[in-house]
Formats: sequence, structure tokens, C-alpha cells
Amino acid sequence: ETGVTQSPTHLIKTRGQQVTLRCSSQSGHNTVSWYQQALGQGPQFIFQYYREEENGRGNFPPRFSGLQFPNYSSELNVNALELDDSALYLCASSPGRANTEAFFGQGTRLTVV
Amino acid sequence: AQSVTQPDIHITVSEGASLELRCNYSYGATPYLFWYVQSPGQGLQLLLKYFSGDTLVQGIKGFEAEFKRSQSSFNLRKPSVHWSDAAEYFCAVGASSRDNYGQNFVFGPGTRLSVLP
Repeated sequence: ETGVTQSPTHLIKTRGQQVTLRCSSQSGHNTVSWYQQALGQGPQFIFQYYREEENGRGNFPPRFSGLQFPNYSSELNVNALELDDSALYLCASSPGRANTEAFFGQGTRLTVV
Repeated sequence: AQSVTQPDIHITVSEGASLELRCNYSYGATPYLFWYVQSPGQGLQLLLKYFSGDTLVQGIKGFEAEFKRSQSSFNLRKPSVHWSDAAEYFCAVGASSRDNYGQNFVFGPGTRLSVLP
């Protein structure tokens, strides 16, 4: 157990809808990163939050957005869902924004139909 | 830009046999290198990491990896594979400088390991 929890574990959405995924970071960690893992591929970096501010972003469109709260938990929001958004979404928490160590949650499996 | 390649998509070994999973990276400076394992439907678990120093690093579950700068490689090895090692293995590279804010992992495509009884 890493202490990083994600919810929900699975969900199904319809194309065009919006979705919010949640992540509780490990105690003492102030940095949260989100990754998208399509079936059969490695995870791809979406963005990172450090102390409630976006601190880096990968090659994802603006309809992927996020938040980090004062307790360092985080949300990933995806608007106007597309079929290709179907993937496992992973959250990772770190003790700092330097890339020394990250602990991953179990992920949220999103299916868009 | 950083990139990671894992040339083997799928490897099958017999239980008790040795294992080597290949990883090559592209990065301008000295990289931070990682190996993660993912069981079906699960998140990622860190096996080992290399930051600096001794180029042979030991990890959990009997795994080790060797950093070879001249070959831009960070291959994962295990002398004797157990059936429970069947999983997906990902090599990843991260930034080496603490001044590079907003850093993250760049993962390879993964190697799926199957273990025959």
C-alpha cells in the first residue's frame, strides 16, 4: 500500500460528458502528478500540481484540467469526453516537486462509450 | 526531449530461469532512472531507482539493474524468476536537476513478462 488513494476505481461515461477523478496524496506529500495509461501503453504525463498550482503539463489539450486543494488532494477533470480518453488514469504523489520519488495510486479505469 | 525505449514487447521465461529486460533512454544530462512493475488492473510499484553513484543498484523482490552511460541503458535483471513475477515492467526516466521544476516521468512502452511453470 502506497497511501495514495484514487476514486472511483471504475466508471463509464458517454462521449461528450464531463468527468472528475479524485486523488488523495500520501501524508506529507505536497506534489501530485496525473498520468494517462492507454491500454497496452506506458503512462503519459498529463500535469503536475505543487502546493495548489499547476507546475508542469504534458501534451494534453485544455479540456484536461485539474485542481489541488490545501490538503494536497487533487482532482482531474476532463470535459467533452472522447472515445480515446478511455484509459487508466494514475495519480502519483511526491514529497516535493523535484523528481526524486513518487508513489502511485491504483488508478481509475475510465471507459467512454 | 527525453525518451525511453523497451525493445521487447513480450518475454516468456520458465520459472527459475534468469531474466533480463532491456531499457534504453535518451536524455542530455545524467538521468534519474527507474523501474516500475504493474500487475493486471493495478497501479505502479517501484522496483528500484538510480540517481548517482554505484551503477549496479539493488531493488525489491530480488531485482537489480545496471546503469551503463556509454550504452544509454538501464537493464533490469533477476537471477531466478518466480511465477509471481509475471507482470508488466516499465522503465522510466526523470529529470536530474532539482532546479528543473515541473519534472515528471517519461515511461517506456513496457515489457510484458510471462512465466512458464
